[in-house]
Amino acid sequence: AQSVTQPDIHITVSEGASLELRCNYSYGATPYLFWYVQSPGQGLQLLLKYFSGDTLVQGIKGFEAEFKRSQSSFNLRKPSVHWSDAAEYFCAVGAAQYQGGKLIFGQGTELSVKP
Amino acid sequence: DTEVTQTPKHLVMGMTNKKSLKCEQHMGHRAMYWYKQKAKKPPELMFVYSYEKLSINESVPSRFSPECPNSSLLNLHLHALQPEDSALYLCASSPIRGTGGRNTEAFFGQGTRLTVV
Repeated sequence: AQSVTQPDIHITVSEGASLELRCNYSYGATPYLFWYVQSPGQGLQLLLKYFSGDTLVQGIKGFEAEFKRSQSSFNLRKPSVHWSDAAEYFCAVGAAQYQGGKLIFGQGTELSVKP
Repeated sequence: DTEVTQTPKHLVMGMTNKKSLKCEQHMGHRAMYWYKQKAKKPPELMFVYSYEKLSINESVPSRFSPECPNSSLLNLHLHALQPEDSALYLCASSPIRGTGGRNTEAFFGQGTRLTVV
């Protein structure tokens, strides 16, 4: 069965510091992988996605992620965090019989940013 | 226009009430989705509509009744809900996978915050 694991429930980083959020997936075939961000009480905004090709994916707001098949990972990174990046981050995998919105989400990582 | 619009933004209803949530998109997407998100939890898929027909029901109780009257609209009719149904209900839309051989992504609305009292 497909699944997504985000090992870190909550991370705190200082403004200007680098960030890495971890995501591991379980899926037999080549996965479709996504990172979404959610501010409190809001909907989900897509940061970036991986379908195939180059394993380093660039997204919006200065985020990037690297797909590593050997480690079943799709970690999200940002070189310098801004206070406005504080939010909940969800990693997701496209589920079986995938259509664009049939997704399985990880438990999420809450990011806090210290001034 | 890359927006998915959900109304209302907030809804408080009693356990004997009937209410509806509405979702609208004008991106020409032929797949639409309802997700439920409890506090501090990830979204969970409820229903999928493809070409205005229900294609997936993730064993959702019958007190939730989806409807897709046309390719731009998706409704979720609510009846006899329980307090544990209080959650953020998210609508999403996407092109149907495989159209033009391209992979797809979903666009989410801002959600309806539902409180059942």
